[in-house]
Amino acid sequence: DVKVTQSSRYLVKRTGEKVFLECVQDMDHENMFWYRQDPGLGLRLIYFSYDVKMKEKGDIPEGYSVSREKKERFSLILESASTNQTSMYLCASSPATGPNEKLFFGSGTQLSVL
Amino acid sequence: SQQGEEDPQALSIQEGENATMNCSYKTSINNLQWYRQNSGRGLVHLILIRSNEREKHSGRLRVTLDTSKKSSSLLITASRAADTASYFCATENSGYALNFGKGTSLLVTP
Repeated sequence: DVKVTQSSRYLVKRTGEKVFLECVQDMDHENMFWYRQDPGLGLRLIYFSYDVKMKEKGDIPEGYSVSREKKERFSLILESASTNQTSMYLCASSPATGPNEKLFFGSGTQLSVL
Repeated sequence: SQQGEEDPQALSIQEGENATMNCSYKTSINNLQWYRQNSGRGLVHLILIRSNEREKHSGRLRVTLDTSKKSSSLLITASRAADTASYFCATENSGYALNFGKGTSLLVTP
């Protein structure tokens, strides 16, 4: 089975800290995604990547950056964490080079910024 | 941008009953997918229906798609307590990222 692993299940950080959220997939997938999930707002796309060193902005990229140095790893970076970035962060991957037909999700990281 | 919009937001039924959730979207799509999320966990893919299909079945799941109305429905038959979860529709129209709705929260009571 495809496994998407997010490095932390829960994370508590202080305002202004630089935060790294790591995601690793073990199935050689081309595409990787970062979503955030907030009550009443559903899932919103932050960034995605369709190849190593490639990245594309999603719907809400402000305050975030990403890094994809290796195919299996996609990192989300909060340059200076703020309280409005408290959220559940979900990483996903897919093998598609065309229309996505199935995303595989990690278990999520619940980030609290105090 | 979010495209799918599920209805109802919340649904409470008893075990053995059927659960129906609806999804509406705004623009043309390549496919529409349904995902389930157990509380506080990641999403799990349930079923996909392509734009040229009208109905698909998978076990107790039945999905319909009406592209003229830009809507889809997910039917779970003979619901079980273990079906308690949030259900999301997701549309694919760009070749890359999926656009998710806000979800329907389903509670199945014994």
